[in-house]
Amino acid sequence: DSGVTQTPKHLITATGQRVTLRCSPRSGDLSVYWYQQSLDQGLQFLIQYYNGEERAKGNILERFSAQQFPDLHSELNLSSLELGDSALYFCASSVVNDEQFFGPGTRLTVL
Amino acid sequence: QQQVKQSPQSLIVQKGGISIINCAYENTAFDYFPWYQQFPGKGPALLIAIRPDVSEKKEGRFTISFNKSAKQFSLHIMDSQPGDSATYFCAASTLRGGGNKLTFGTGTQLKVEL
Repeated sequence: DSGVTQTPKHLITATGQRVTLRCSPRSGDLSVYWYQQSLDQGLQFLIQYYNGEERAKGNILERFSAQQFPDLHSELNLSSLELGDSALYFCASSVVNDEQFFGPGTRLTVL
Repeated sequence: QQQVKQSPQSLIVQKGGISIINCAYENTAFDYFPWYQQFPGKGPALLIAIRPDVSEKKEGRFTISFNKSAKQFSLHIMDSQPGDSATYFCAASTLRGGGNKLTFGTGTQLKVEL
């Protein structure tokens, strides 16, 4: 157990809908990262937040957004969902910019 | 420029043997190279990581070898066990510049047979 928690574990929704994925980092970690894992794209970095501020950005779609709250938990919002958004979404955390510890993931299925 | 190439895609090793997974990168700005292990239905777990100022790092049965001039690094798993059967990912990032955006290889499915 990495100490990173993610909810929900599974999410099934329809195209065009909007969902929110939640992540709580390990105690003491200030950075939160979001990754997408799919069969065709592999593990892809989406975005990093550090202490509430955006720190680094990957190829995150404009339909996706994230934020980190004062209590350091983070949410990833996915809107106007498409079939191709079906994937595993992982959150990771680190103290600052160092070793990243991954959560168990949220499996999103878009029907 | 950002790609990390990983090989082989899959690997079968006998129990007690050595598993070797290789990765190559192009971006010379990369300065952090971790390896992750992932079991089905689980998140990636950090195994071991190396910075480019050393050529080798060992933790238990896991060793990273790093060749800066060739822009290659590899994971060696000594005395491989059936419990090591998992998917292994190499990754790379640039810690300078504020963020730690990991670029992952495509993964290697390792099966250790009795």
